[in-house]
Amino acid sequence: GAGVSQSPRYKVAKRGQDVALRCDPISGHVSLFWYQQALGQGPEFLTYFQNEAQLDKSGLPSDRFFAERPEGSVSTLKIQRTQQEDSAVYLCASSIGGLAMNFGPGTRLTVT
Amino acid sequence: QQQVKQSPQSLIVQKGGIPIINCAYENTAFDYFPWYQQFPGKGPALLIAIRPDVSEKKEGRFTISFNKSAKQFSLHIMDSQPGDSATYFCAPYNTDKLIFGTGTRLQVFP
Repeated sequence: GAGVSQSPRYKVAKRGQDVALRCDPISGHVSLFWYQQALGQGPEFLTYFQNEAQLDKSGLPSDRFFAERPEGSVSTLKIQRTQQEDSAVYLCASSIGGLAMNFGPGTRLTVT
Repeated sequence: QQQVKQSPQSLIVQKGGIPIINCAYENTAFDYFPWYQQFPGKGPALLIAIRPDVSEKKEGRFTISFNKSAKQFSLHIMDSQPGDSATYFCAPYNTDKLIFGTGTRLQVFP
């Protein structure tokens, strides 16, 4: 497809488990972003990559959150030892370098 | 998100009405002012955006009005349709990130 894809779409984890969320950006898009959207709220910035370089990780809420984009295309957001407050929709967006970000459908994470 | 205040929280209009959603910001470093539309179960989609050197921009039925001195910008939807029912976010941009407002849930009734 032509859009940003994310997998899985839904993830249920027990508290304390580790999870990995995948983002496939639009081909050729240099910039990749992760946002966290709590229920009924606007998305909040987590981290930003330009190619494989993570240029901004100021939004990651704790050291349990880790993101990577080793080859400058696919990105993975990993959350270790999940907590209930991590329950949210995790959105990935990509852009060709400009300001028009294309968001994926998100992964809904529920921590029980 | 505290840097961006969006109102109203929800809005109900009849088909053909002109809903107006407002956004106030504090950070004068913002240099790009988009509105995003989000349907349930989907990611936000860019609707329309404006640069700070322009006071108004129109694209189809959507218009942004920008007031730099008041640090406010608004979205107007002309001839609203039931298909416009969604949540709308202002999301001014600074450096490398969008700062989203809290959202406005719009319902357009036939």
